[in-house]
Amino acid sequence: KAGVTQTPRYLIKTRGQQVTLSCSPISGHRSVSWYQQTPGQGLQFLFEYFSETQRNKGNFPGRFSGRQFSNSRSEMNVSTLELGDSALYLCASSLAPRTGGETQYFGPGTRLLVL
Amino acid sequence: AQTVTQSQPEMSVQEAETVTLSCTYDTSESDYYLFWYKQPPSRQMILVIRQEAYKQQNATENRFSVNFQKAAKSFSLKISDSQLGDAAMYFCAIISGSARQLTFGSGTQLTVLP
Repeated sequence: KAGVTQTPRYLIKTRGQQVTLSCSPISGHRSVSWYQQTPGQGLQFLFEYFSETQRNKGNFPGRFSGRQFSNSRSEMNVSTLELGDSALYLCASSLAPRTGGETQYFGPGTRLLVL
Repeated sequence: AQTVTQSQPEMSVQEAETVTLSCTYDTSESDYYLFWYKQPPSRQMILVIRQEAYKQQNATENRFSVNFQKAAKSFSLKISDSQLGDAAMYFCAIISGSARQLTFGSGTQLTVLP
């Protein structure tokens, strides 16, 4: 079974631009979560989607948004990029958890550099 | 709220030796799950081991085992017969039953010496 895939793997943008990152979960997984990893802040939760609905959101500004499609693929968008948005963005998928606690499997990440 | 603390930013171990990575956590929930993930230089986050809080038996996966001390809120990872491929950043993480977000510790960089 194929793992979680993320595209693109690397991205360079300039301040003020916007960016869209894509994530395809493991086949059969219906929950997709996004995390931001930076040297200073570590790993931080962005949001989680299930059945095309955002179920949980971390403490990030509204410039960070996402969506999920009917095939469980997910995209996240960052508008008006700032230098501090430079990070590794990780996507993780899990089965449809009834109560939470399901193991999350991660993709290889997208490295975003904002100049 | 849930928190995870890894107090060892860096550790090293000789190849074939055993090393233990420490992790403490805090949560107000009674239903939660604990994980160790490794992140090698490729940055791919790889699941190492999972522990359900309601299980008293410590989880084991081949050379990897945990020492889960629920009362002390401690969750350490033991790596036996360390191999060069074990070199990575190791993250301890928790997810509560009612939450669907992982909370990670700051990580421990493990170096394996030949």
